[in-house]
Amino acid sequence: DTGVSQDPRHKITKRGQNVTFRCDPISEHNRLYWYRQTLGQGPEFLTYFQNEAQLEKSRLLSDRFSAERPKGSFSTLEIQRTEQGDSAMYLCASSSRRAGTGELFFGEGSRLTVL
Amino acid sequence: AQSVTQLDSQVPVFEEAPVELRCNYSSSVSVYLFWYVQYPNQGLQLLLKYLSGSTLVKGINGFEAEFNKSQTSFHLRKPSVHISDTAEYFCAVSDPPDYKLSFGAGTTVTVRA
Repeated sequence: DTGVSQDPRHKITKRGQNVTFRCDPISEHNRLYWYRQTLGQGPEFLTYFQNEAQLEKSRLLSDRFSAERPKGSFSTLEIQRTEQGDSAMYLCASSSRRAGTGELFFGEGSRLTVL
Repeated sequence: AQSVTQLDSQVPVFEEAPVELRCNYSSSVSVYLFWYVQYPNQGLQLLLKYLSGSTLVKGINGFEAEFNKSQTSFHLRKPSVHISDTAEYFCAVSDPPDYKLSFGAGTTVTVRA
């Protein structure tokens, strides 16, 4: 399978703990995006990378959130000192700038529940 | 900034009946438009996209959408739905060069026998 993969698919944690999500994009896709989706809402943009450079961060991305893409391949999204309001589905997507179609390919998401 | 309004939050429909999901966007520049579908506990799958050219776009699973620039709309239609079309549908807009997608709040389609 050469689609976008995310790990873990589900994470239950206690308030105050740190969590990390990993995203493996489609091979050779140079752009990688993180979105957050809460119940009954559409996905909201968090941040995106072109290769290893983080080019934009949403105001939704508080200082407790950090994303990296160290070698321009996989990416991690870490949430420190989790709060109940962080409970959501975290979606990763990738795209090819060269294709120029704007289509994002999404993974199946990592669902976070903060108790 | 782009914004997308999906005018219907829930659409119940009987099997084999037609369905239309409405989407309006706000943008003063040329944009790319998309419809994605999300089945329970899954990620988003592209149904169709409008980049340029013909305003009637055909997608997967029998869906089609019409781009109307003057009304800034991109409504999704299917002439005959199946039970398996029960899902959440999202309209999205992006513009170059970052292709960051802005999504609507979604429309839940429930198909009943």
